[in-house]
This record gives sequence, C-alpha cells and structure tokens, in this order.
Amino acid sequence: GQQVMQIPQYQHVQEGEDFTTYCNSSTTLSNIQWYKQRPGGHPVFLIQLVKSGEVKKQKRLTFQFGEAKKNSSLHITATQTTDVGTYFCAATLNTGNQFYFGTGTSLTVIP
Amino acid sequence: DTEVTQTPKHLVMGMTNKKSLKCEQHMGHRAMYWYKQKAKKPPELMFVYSYEKLSINESVPSRFSPECPNSSLLNLHLHALQPEDSALYLCASSRTRAGADQPQHFGDGTRLSIL
Repeated sequence: GQQVMQIPQYQHVQEGEDFTTYCNSSTTLSNIQWYKQRPGGHPVFLIQLVKSGEVKKQKRLTFQFGEAKKNSSLHITATQTTDVGTYFCAATLNTGNQFYFGTGTSLTVIP
Repeated sequence: DTEVTQTPKHLVMGMTNKKSLKCEQHMGHRAMYWYKQKAKKPPELMFVYSYEKLSINESVPSRFSPECPNSSLLNLHLHALQPEDSALYLCASSRTRAGADQPQHFGDGTRLSIL
C-alpha cells in the first residue's frame, strides 16, 4: 500500500492566493525531499529536510519537517501561474532503505 | 534542460517486440534508477543501481530487465510487454543512493505505448 500520503490531491487557487500541501506517513522518516513536476515534464528536486522540526525557505516557498519526522508541508505564498504543477514529497522510511514518492498534489493557478 | 538523457522520447511497440530504453548521465553520479509513472500518479521505483550493482528490485515482472554497463549508462530491456505497461518511464541519478541525503536528477522520460 501507499506509504506516504499527500493532501489535498488537487488544489485550484486564484493567482495571488496561498497554497499548502501536506505529506504524512505512519512511519518515521529518515529524511524528506520535495519535487515539482510540471505538466508533461519530469520531477525536479526542490529541497531536502533532514532534522526534526526543520524549516527551510526558498523565496515564496516554505518547507517544514514535523517534530516527530512523520509529516511535512510545503507552503507557497502568493501563487503565480509559474507555480502550476504537481508537488511530490519523497521519503526514505526509517524501517529500511525503501524510497517512496508521496501521492502528489496537483496545483492549478487561475490567472 | 536536463543532465540525464533518455532515448527514445517516445516508443510504440507490440506485445511480442523486444526493445530497449537508454539513459545516460555525465555528472559522475554512482546511483541510477528506473521509475514507472502512470498518468496522474507518482513515480514508482522499479530498479536501483548503486556503483553499477543492482541494489533494489521492487518486485518488477521479468519482462523488464535492467542493465548497467558502466556508471554513466543504464538500460531497460523490454520483452513481451502487456498493455498495462504503457506509461512514462523515468530514469534518474544521484551522487550516491537515494535516502543518503542526495537529490535525484531525472531525465525527460520515455513515453511507452504497448499495442
């Protein structure tokens, strides 16, 4: 079964609104990575979080890793049409070396 | 622009055909991966090569056969595929194995259709 779940599955926002996607696992994660895949494109690495409670920022994007290392979030402030795509978290479980992509959140930005 | 090159970009084949997908990277990465991605789904890991040795095989049917001739090249040999195998096949590489604090760099993929 799917080890890493993301919500929501789809999100439509007006340009300028904020957007958040959440990544959850029932198992403690060694680390978590975030990728963006544009329509028709391939996943592109955005960032990696390793430490419990870690917060990293990239311009309008803020990434958080939960204190228990079982969840993570990606928040985009003031979305732009260039933010359109599917955002995936990806993680290695502490129980082994298996690497899983989350179920993904597809973001549509309405101009 | 991607630093991982996959060929061909598109492939249509019959169920009795034999074909190969190719992937190449010149970043000096020592881990390479094959993923399968169906529409509106996340990439699913198929195979991982670490230092040219197969380290993970995610219970993939034997009609898919990976090969890593050297640290820069990765092939996926296809034989007797089924219609449900139609998907985007993505190759990726990382400096070392996934989960070891290394981001993965993806190619543009091969879009495979099985008739």
